[in-house]
Amino acid sequence: DTVMTQSPDSLAVSLGERATINCKSSQTVLYRSNNKNCLAWYQQKPGQPPKLLIYGASTRESGVPDRFSGSGAGTDFTLTINSLQAEDVAVYYCHQHSTIPYTFGQGTKLEIK
Amino acid sequence: EVQLVESGGGLVQPGGSLRLSCAASGFTFNDYWMSWVRQAPGKGLEWVANINQDGSEKRLVDSVKGRFTISRDNAKNSLYLQMNSLRAEDTAVYYCARDGGELLNWGQGTLVTVSS
Repeated sequence: DTVMTQSPDSLAVSLGERATINCKSSQTVLYRSNNKNCLAWYQQKPGQPPKLLIYGASTRESGVPDRFSGSGAGTDFTLTINSLQAEDVAVYYCHQHSTIPYTFGQGTKLEIK
Repeated sequence: EVQLVESGGGLVQPGGSLRLSCAASGFTFNDYWMSWVRQAPGKGLEWVANINQDGSEKRLVDSVKGRFTISRDNAKNSLYLQMNSLRAEDTAVYYCARDGGELLNWGQGTLVTVSS
C-alpha cells in the first residue's frame, strides 16, 4: 500500500499569516499514462464531511478561495494557505488515488495562534 | 447541486450485519465511480471500497475483503455497502463519495457502532 505521511500533525498560525502542510508518499503517485499526479487535498471542519480543495496536486476545485494552493510532484507535496482566515480552522488530509487501496495522510490539525 | 445521503447505520453486535445505502442526486449517477470511506471516532479517513459505473469492477481494502460487498443500482441512483461479520474495529462514520479519482463530493455520513 502507498503510505501517506503528513507533517506536521498540528499547526498553529496567526490570522493573516501563511500555513504550510506537507505530504509525502511512500511511492510515486504519478500516473504515467496521463502524467498526472493523483494527489488531492481535503478540508474537514468539526462535525462535517471532508471537502475537496485541490486535485491533481495543484488544481483548485471550483469555489475554493485562491488563498489555497497545492504544489509538488512524484512523492512530495505541499498545501499552502495564504492569509489565514478564522474559517480555515480544520483538519486537512492528503489523499492518493494512483494505486489501490486509496490512502490518506493521517491529517493535520490547523488552529489559530 | 450534488447530494449524497447515506442511511442504514446503527448499533449492531459483533458478528452482525448491516446494509448501508447512499441516495445520489444532482449528477448523472451512472457516469461515475462511487466510493465508501470511513472514519473511526476521532480518527482519520480510511477508504473502504469503490465500484465502477456499471458495477462490473469492485475494489475493496484488504481489511474488509470477504466481509463487505459494494453494489449499486443505477435505476435508483443508489449505492450500497453490505457489511457482514462486523467487528468492533468497523465502528465508524461511513461516507459515500462521488469518485473521480479524487473524491469530488461527500455525503454527511452514517454512524455504524459495533458493540455488545
